[in-house]
Amino acid sequence: AQSVTQPDIHITVSEGASLELRCNYSYGATPYLFWYVQSPGQGLQLLLKYFSGDTLVQGIKGFEAEFKRSQSSFNLRKPSVHWSDAAEYFCAVSGYSTLTFGKGTMLLVSP
Amino acid sequence: NAGVTQTPKFQVLKTGQSMTLQCAQDMNHEYMSWYRQDPGMGLRLIHYSVGAGITDQGEVPNGYNVSRSTTEDFPLRLLSAAPSQTSVYFCASSETGSGHTDTQYFGPGTRLTVL
Repeated sequence: AQSVTQPDIHITVSEGASLELRCNYSYGATPYLFWYVQSPGQGLQLLLKYFSGDTLVQGIKGFEAEFKRSQSSFNLRKPSVHWSDAAEYFCAVSGYSTLTFGKGTMLLVSP
Repeated sequence: NAGVTQTPKFQVLKTGQSMTLQCAQDMNHEYMSWYRQDPGMGLRLIHYSVGAGITDQGEVPNGYNVSRSTTEDFPLRLLSAAPSQTSVYFCASSETGSGHTDTQYFGPGTRLTVL
């Protein structure tokens, strides 16, 4: 079965600083990879997804992610964080008819 | 479009009671799924459906039943509630039957407490 690891439970970033959230996956074939964001008390919203092709994918709200097959990673990045980016971020991998989520990384943004 | 709707938003049950969490979508999506979210555990798949009349188990199906008699609705039944089922439940849908590869559209969630 597929699995996802998000090694950072919490990350604090200063407003205006750059951000990188880590995601490592395990899956036997070419994966479908996703990043979702969850604001407090809300459902999840898709930020971006990777299926094939260009390994750098652009998403909404200025986020991007890079797929690195050799490292089994799909890290999420943003060059300049805004206070409104404070939320919980989930990486997910698709395979064998189901979608598997990581445990999430909570992003805190300091002034 | 209302998207994915879930009722109720909040529910308190006593141990042993049964109830049904409702989920409906108006996007004519084939794939629907139920997740539970617990602190530090992320989202875990309970059951999913690739189309009307077809359901299958996810990672944590014990204590839950589902059915999919129409494309629009995918109710989740708790047969005999236990405190371990205290959680936030999310329903999601996606366009095609291979929905695990599609964008998931999530409902707002149901917060369930079992005493």
